[in-house]
Amino acid sequence: DAGITQSPRHKVTETGTPVTLRCHQTENHRYMYWYRQDPGHGLRLIHYSYGVKDTDKGEVSDGYSVSRSKTEDFLLTLESATSSQTSVYFCAISGGTSGAREQFFGPGTRLTVL
Amino acid sequence: TQLLEQSPQFLSIQEGENLTVYCNSSSVFSSLQWYRQEPGEGPVLLVTVVTGGEVKKLKRLTFQFGDARKDSSLHITAAQPGDTGLYLCAGGGGSNYKLTFGKGTLLTVNP
Repeated sequence: DAGITQSPRHKVTETGTPVTLRCHQTENHRYMYWYRQDPGHGLRLIHYSYGVKDTDKGEVSDGYSVSRSKTEDFLLTLESATSSQTSVYFCAISGGTSGAREQFFGPGTRLTVL
Repeated sequence: TQLLEQSPQFLSIQEGENLTVYCNSSSVFSSLQWYRQEPGEGPVLLVTVVTGGEVKKLKRLTFQFGDARKDSSLHITAAQPGDTGLYLCAGGGGSNYKLTFGKGTLLTVNP
């Protein structure tokens, strides 16, 4: 299994508070991704990174920001959490020997915004 | 925008039955992956297919990529309760490092 950890695994927060989720990899993969998974919508890409300090928006980026200061860490920040951001968040990595197309996922973070 | 439609959305069968799930698009993909996700966990990669018409087997699971690289199927022979989970297909485009995911097929295999 790819070495990907996410923290925290569960979080409950209140509307309007800032939240940061962390993804850490030990695989030295170039690409990192943040997805959210919701019933009826499947996996949707929030932001992705193609290198240190190189990031770009996905299809549902409003209300989210990201940072990647080191190869191994990719942070997702909700500046002011809203109830619509209650979801399960997955980090993924790619870019190993199998190429960029195969993504490997972390265990997920369940976020509840009250 | 590339879209992947998976069918059926839900499938409940008895142990020992065979089943096929489908992943269809009007777009051409350079590669297609299948993942399985169990409750409370992240998706796990099962297979990648890249050539039109390609068939790959993984024990009782058979994956096929359509000749035109617009569709794929997953066939499970003699399903087991351990096959229960959400099956996701994902297509890679020209850039390859971004994937388009289908919404998944939720399979339940009853003992």
